[in-house]
Order: sequence, then C-alpha cells, then structure tokens
Amino acid sequence: SQQGEEDPQALSIQEGENATMNCSYKTSINNLQWYRQNSGRGLVHLILIRSNEREKHSGRLRVTLDTSKKSSSLLITASRAADTASYFCATDARGSQGNLIFGKGTKLSVKP
Amino acid sequence: ETGVTQTPRHLVMGMTNKKSLKCEQHLGHNAMYWYKQSAKKPLELMFVYSLEERVENNSVPSRFSPECPNSSHLFLHLHTLQPEDSALYLCASSPSPGQGDVNYGYTFGSGTRLTVV
Repeated sequence: SQQGEEDPQALSIQEGENATMNCSYKTSINNLQWYRQNSGRGLVHLILIRSNEREKHSGRLRVTLDTSKKSSSLLITASRAADTASYFCATDARGSQGNLIFGKGTKLSVKP
Repeated sequence: ETGVTQTPRHLVMGMTNKKSLKCEQHLGHNAMYWYKQSAKKPLELMFVYSLEERVENNSVPSRFSPECPNSSHLFLHLHTLQPEDSALYLCASSPSPGQGDVNYGYTFGSGTRLTVV
C-alpha cells in the first residue's frame, strides 16, 4: 500500500534557486527517508530523519518532519543543473520491520 | 558503485522464456529486497529477505520466484512473464533489525531494465 505521497509531481526551476518538495504519509513511522534517482538508475539515499527529530541538514539539503501533520519537506538550496533527478520520500512505518514504502516521487528539473 | 551490483543491466525476454536477475552485495547487510518500478507508479516492494529467510511476499504472482542462497546474493527467477511485467527491477540491501542501529537507509543497485515481448 502506498504510504508517502510527494508534492508537486514535477518542479522546474532555474539554477541557483531553491527547490522545495513535500511528502505526506498516513501511518505512524519510525523514520522518513529521502532518496534521489537519476533517470533509469537506482535510488541513492540522501537523508534520514527519525520520528523524534524535527529538522536535519546535510550539505545543501534540509529536511523537516512534522509528525502531527504527518508530513515532511525536502529543501535543496542553491540548486545546480546536476540536481536534476526524481526525488522520493520513503517511510519506515511502525511494525513494518524496516520495510520502506515509497511515494511516486517529484521530478525536479534545474535549468542552467 | 554503491556496493550493490545487479546483473544484467538490460534484459529482453519473450513470454515463454525463463531468465534470472542477480543481485550481489558485500556491505555486510543481512536484509535484501526486490522492488519493481513501473512508469508513473510508486516503487512496489516485492520480496524481503532477512538473514536469508523470506519475511515478506507482497502478493506477487508466482511467475516471479525469489531465491536467497546466502546473505550476499539474491536472485529473481522469471518465467512465463507478461508484457505488463516490463519494468525496472531494483535490488536493495540494509542492515537487518538485529544488526545494530535499524535506522539506516537502503543501498540500491542500478537496476535491471526488463522488457517482455
């Protein structure tokens, strides 16, 4: 069953701008993770935020988590053309034994 | 390279063929997964192996048959597939719940692009 739902489905910005992607989910979670996928390739893990954390940073990435609203956001600052990819959130639901459920993803296009 | 290797990268097979997808990891992970990624659909979790035991099978048709001979290798055996089975098949691994901190991300392979004709 689908757990994460990303928004928007597609996002097109200019290089240097910030990109914000949102994710909503339905059940209680242990953690929420964001992944990146270049066209036709495997997924690359970007960042994990635990259910008791509200914000986390990694380089140009900033992730927030609001468990009361069951939502998360991924912010990419000062975007580059190389950031062009699809971004997925995935939830590790409580009781799921670590099995991740992915959303449909946001397709980000960064124009030079 | 991510540490998870999938072969072949591309596969074209007829509906009456039998083929196998292979996944190999040397990260010391105890859990391995098969996911299916079709166009405009979320990734679908197909099978989960933890410590070489299958722990989840998400109502996957029997024409897909997984095999996990040891914690480093995972196979997906395919037979009498349908054109709608054409997709990107992704293998992933992670530390199992019994292996230290469970809150790691998954490590994915590059996938096998399968086309059924």
